[in-house]
Amino acid sequence: DAKTTQPPSMDCAEGRAANLPCNHSTISGNEYVYWYRQIHSQGPQYIIHGLKNNETNEMASLIITEDRKSSTLILPHATLRDTAVYYCIVRVATNAGNMLTFGGGTRLMVKP
Amino acid sequence: DGGITQSPKYLFRKEGQNVTLSCEQNLNHDAMYWYRQDPGQGLRLIYYSQIVNDFQKGDIAEGYSVSREKKESFPLTVTSAQKNPTAFYLCASSAARGRREKLFFGSGTQLSVL
Repeated sequence: DAKTTQPPSMDCAEGRAANLPCNHSTISGNEYVYWYRQIHSQGPQYIIHGLKNNETNEMASLIITEDRKSSTLILPHATLRDTAVYYCIVRVATNAGNMLTFGGGTRLMVKP
Repeated sequence: DGGITQSPKYLFRKEGQNVTLSCEQNLNHDAMYWYRQDPGQGLRLIYYSQIVNDFQKGDIAEGYSVSREKKESFPLTVTSAQKNPTAFYLCASSAARGRREKLFFGSGTQLSVL
């Protein structure tokens, strides 16, 4: 099963870009990388996902390395409301369907 | 509004008691999931269901049971066999079985043991 590794915590200054790394060295060729975030005591919120090309939406950008063994989530102008735990996930295909396994995530603290 | 509704928000269980957490979705999603989250930890998969009347164990299914009699409902029962049930429980759903669908989460149920 593909697993992900993220730093447990990061700080970022308000208004600056937040770059959150993720390693997924055992990812298979057809597995997508997903990013979610969770604000305290709420359900996780979808941010972005990608396969091999870089992706951008209104929330963030996702940069995936050419060998697909790592990726970086970029919040271009972090605000205090972006303080949350960010999860990088690789979807795992099983005979019975797809499981989406969360790791410990990165706790991002945006500071004024 | 379309979404996932979990109830109750807070639930208390006595020793030896079974309790059931409700999860309902009106998104017409085929797949539904239950996760457990302990303080300061990530989410761990308990059970998941890809279609009605079918479900699979996740990583920590022991002490839990589920049913999927209707597409929109996926209740989770925490049985007395679960010796450490205090946690935050999250229900999620997704549209299809492919590798590209994203999860939508409910707001969670906090279960505590009296």
